[in-house]
Amino acid sequence: GIQVEQSPPDLILQEGANSTLRCNFSDSVNNLQWFHQNPWGQLINLFYIPSGTKQNGRLSATTVATERYSLLYISSSQTTDSGVYFCAARQGGSEKLVFGKGMKLTVNP
Amino acid sequence: EAQVTQNPRYLITVTGKKLTVTCSQNMNHEYMSWYRQDPGLGLRQIYYSMNVEVTDKGDVPEGYKVSRKEKRNFPLILESPSPNQTSLYFCASKNQGVIYEQYFGPGTRLTVT
Repeated sequence: GIQVEQSPPDLILQEGANSTLRCNFSDSVNNLQWFHQNPWGQLINLFYIPSGTKQNGRLSATTVATERYSLLYISSSQTTDSGVYFCAARQGGSEKLVFGKGMKLTVNP
Repeated sequence: EAQVTQNPRYLITVTGKKLTVTCSQNMNHEYMSWYRQDPGLGLRQIYYSMNVEVTDKGDVPEGYKVSRKEKRNFPLILESPSPNQTSLYFCASKNQGVIYEQYFGPGTRLTVT
């Protein structure tokens, strides 16, 4: 089945810095989602982005399906951005989401 | 408000004592699924259901059961919990079809001693 890899595994930033999170997937996908898991464990949908670019406030995401990667950009990071970021992909006729192992972001004040 | 709910949110139990984690969605979604999250492993699918009375195994089904008697509910049953089932569990739902995204419940943190 499809493999999903995220990088970097951990990232520490100062408040106000920008960051880019990368998600590589091993095969073509028809769905790609980004999630933020907050310190209380809740998964928050950030983007549903099988292709193209979307923006939501300080966050934006780009998926280049032909090159099998997606990027999540966080600009002017805030302490509330801290947590774990997951990307998850789905392929073919399966409804199953395959998750990467996550990227832990720590934003220091 | 459209949402997926899970209960309980936190549970500490002992080995062998049967338990059920409930999941309910109010979006009339056909597809529902259970995942478990373990450190360093991301989320892995346990079971899923394409519709009422249609369920199938995911990647890590051992030790779990599910049922889908109603469209809105998808309970996860641990007949004889063991310590290796200590984990954070998520229920999710979506409409059928590739253009739809999955929505996740708030999670249930289970500890089996």
